[in-house]
Amino acid sequence: NAGVTQTPKFQVLKTGQSMTLQCAQDMNHEYMSWYRQDPGMGLRLIHYSVGAGITDQGEVPNGYNVSRSTTEDFPLRLLSAAPSQTSVYFCASRSGTGGPNSPLHFGNGTRLTVT
Amino acid sequence: KNQVEQSPQSLIILEGKNCTLQCNYTVSPFSNLRWYKQDTGRGPVSLTIMTFSENTKSNGRYTATLDADTKQSSLHITASQLSDSASYICVVSAYGGSNYKLTFGKGTLLTVNP
Repeated sequence: NAGVTQTPKFQVLKTGQSMTLQCAQDMNHEYMSWYRQDPGMGLRLIHYSVGAGITDQGEVPNGYNVSRSTTEDFPLRLLSAAPSQTSVYFCASRSGTGGPNSPLHFGNGTRLTVT
Repeated sequence: KNQVEQSPQSLIILEGKNCTLQCNYTVSPFSNLRWYKQDTGRGPVSLTIMTFSENTKSNGRYTATLDADTKQSSLHITASQLSDSASYICVVSAYGGSNYKLTFGKGTLLTVNP
C-alpha cells in the first residue's frame, strides 16, 4: 500500500495565485484531514472530513477550501495565496472504526512558499 | 484551553546513550496520549499510544510512561541510534461531545551524534 500520497512535494506561488494541494489514500479510511506545520508551533488542523460528502472546519480554516467527493481523495484549495500561508502542509487519514485510538497516517507533506 | 508542553525543545546525545523526553498536558476530558516520530522531510509516524489505564508501554527501544494524576508522559529511548535523530511529537486526544479533538505539542528535536 502507498498509504497517504501528497502532491506536489514543493510549490512556490506568488501572492494572489490559487492552487490545489492533492491528497490521496489507499487504506479506505473514512477520516481525512489537513494540517499545517510552522516553525515553533504544533501541527494545526485546517479542515477535516469524516466521510465522502462531509467536511468541516478545523482550527485555522480561513483562506482554504476542501471537498470530499470520494473516500480516497481530499484536495486542499488555496483561494488567493498570501505570504502567511507559507508553511508545510500535511494530509492525514485515520480509520473510522478504531475511533480516537486509531493513529493518524500522515503523508510526507507539501512545502509551500508564497512570495 | 487545552495545552501540550514538551521539553526539552532540543537535545543532542551521543550514539548509544539513553535519553528521556517529557510531555506535560492540560487537556480534558482526557482520552489518550500518543507519541509520534517525525523524520526530517517526512510526515509524523505513530510510535505508541497511552490510554488512561496504562502506566508503561514499550515499543522496541522506546518506552512511554503516563501519569494521569500529574498529567505527565515521558518517552525513554534506550541505546540510541543515529536513526533516532528526529522530532518527537506528543499528541493528546480529548473527547468533547461527539468529537475527539487533538492537541499537538511543538515537539522535541533529538540529534544523535556518532
